[in-house]
Amino acid sequence: EPEVTQTPSHQVTQMGQEVILRCVPISNHLYFYWYRQILGQKVEFLVSFYNNEISEKSEIFDDQFSVERPDGSNFTLKIRSTKLEDSAMYFCASSLKSSIRVGYTFGSGTRLTVV
Amino acid sequence: DAKTTQPTSMDCAEGRAANLPCNHSTISGNEYVYWYRQIHSQGPQYIIHGLKNNETNEMASLIITEDRKSSTLILPHATLRDTAVYYCIVRVLAAGNKLTFGGGTRVLVKP
Repeated sequence: EPEVTQTPSHQVTQMGQEVILRCVPISNHLYFYWYRQILGQKVEFLVSFYNNEISEKSEIFDDQFSVERPDGSNFTLKIRSTKLEDSAMYFCASSLKSSIRVGYTFGSGTRLTVV
Repeated sequence: DAKTTQPTSMDCAEGRAANLPCNHSTISGNEYVYWYRQIHSQGPQYIIHGLKNNETNEMASLIITEDRKSSTLILPHATLRDTAVYYCIVRVLAAGNKLTFGGGTRVLVKP
């Protein structure tokens, strides 16, 4: 079964540093997403991306965050200057554009720890 | 998206059916009921979705009441690997829509 692949599985970074989280969505999917889950809390939507532009973003997704699909296969989330409260699991997801079944497929996540 | 209400937690015996309820009394006519689960901090996993008819796939069955104000996810023979947080989500069937996760139901399957 096709998978969404995320790397690294765990990243530790110092506060104020830039971090890039990487994702390889399923090859024929057209919509891409980032979600995050702070330990013990709900899964929260960050951003959706379609046709090389952001289609929707949440209040969490401020100027410190950016997304990019640099080469047609990878989908990245960049945090420019990390804060302690950015520590969370970050999940990438992708979905087909289909009127029949529009399920998401999530990756296994990147655990970001900001120290 | 309509709001959903689920019990915080429930236990289930291994090998028995697990029935997970969800209330969505404000659901709109074009909103589907989706179920996802999250096993121990892994990425959420799609289980099933439906509009008004009952649905079944290899993972589970979804029973939606006639008035569509509530639904039940049925895991027919729960295994220890089904221990997870189960999320009931209501959304419009359209590509690109975000998923809004609530607290879900923490299901513990016991031997």
